[in-house]
Amino acid sequence: ETGVTQTPRHLVMGMTNKKSLKCEQHLGHNAMYWYKQSAKKPLELMFVYNFKEQTENNSVPSRFSPECPNSSHLFLHLHTLQPEDSALYLCASRRTRDTDTQYFGPGTRLTVL
Amino acid sequence: TQLLEQSPQFLSIQEGENLTVYCNSSSVFSSLQWYRQEPGEGPVLLVTVVTGGEVKKLKRLTFQFGDARKDSSLHITAAQTGDTGLYLCAGSSRSNDYKLSFGAGTTVTVRA
Repeated sequence: ETGVTQTPRHLVMGMTNKKSLKCEQHLGHNAMYWYKQSAKKPLELMFVYNFKEQTENNSVPSRFSPECPNSSHLFLHLHTLQPEDSALYLCASRRTRDTDTQYFGPGTRLTVL
Repeated sequence: TQLLEQSPQFLSIQEGENLTVYCNSSSVFSSLQWYRQEPGEGPVLLVTVVTGGEVKKLKRLTFQFGDARKDSSLHITAAQTGDTGLYLCAGSSRSNDYKLSFGAGTTVTVRA
């Protein structure tokens, strides 16, 4: 238990569906991150939020839409995805004032049919 | 982009043997993290090292940060089947806004 939770843990969706991934951290951190982990590839940073403000969009396609209503919650809204978007999506958080260390959630395994 | 290279990519050993995983870069990092990840789960933090030459021990795991803060190693003594997993190193630096750069990982399998 790392203090970062993600729901759902597994998601299967068609290319025309709209779904959302949720992340919540109970650590009092101010920065939150979305990563994509595909087979045989290093973790890819997608988005960074700091105190609810987006500070990084790593050239992510617009079919991925993040939302950060407060420092504890992070969403990733998905629409018209492609099969190659199938991956493990990981959320992480960090307290920026005193550490570089990020703490990860368990991830959402996404399969796009 | 700050690249981290991990070696070996795969490692399979017998229970009770020792193993070492390496993480190398041409970039200098302000800190380096090691994570262990099991299939279908998120990476779990093992250690953070921040000082060049630092050695940290976590039970049977020994982590070392290179003097120049460009490389690191993870040594496991008397491996157990529970040590099986994907080991990831990740470095961060002020020049990269403290974003983590990840290695591709080392898959360790410890056989009973």
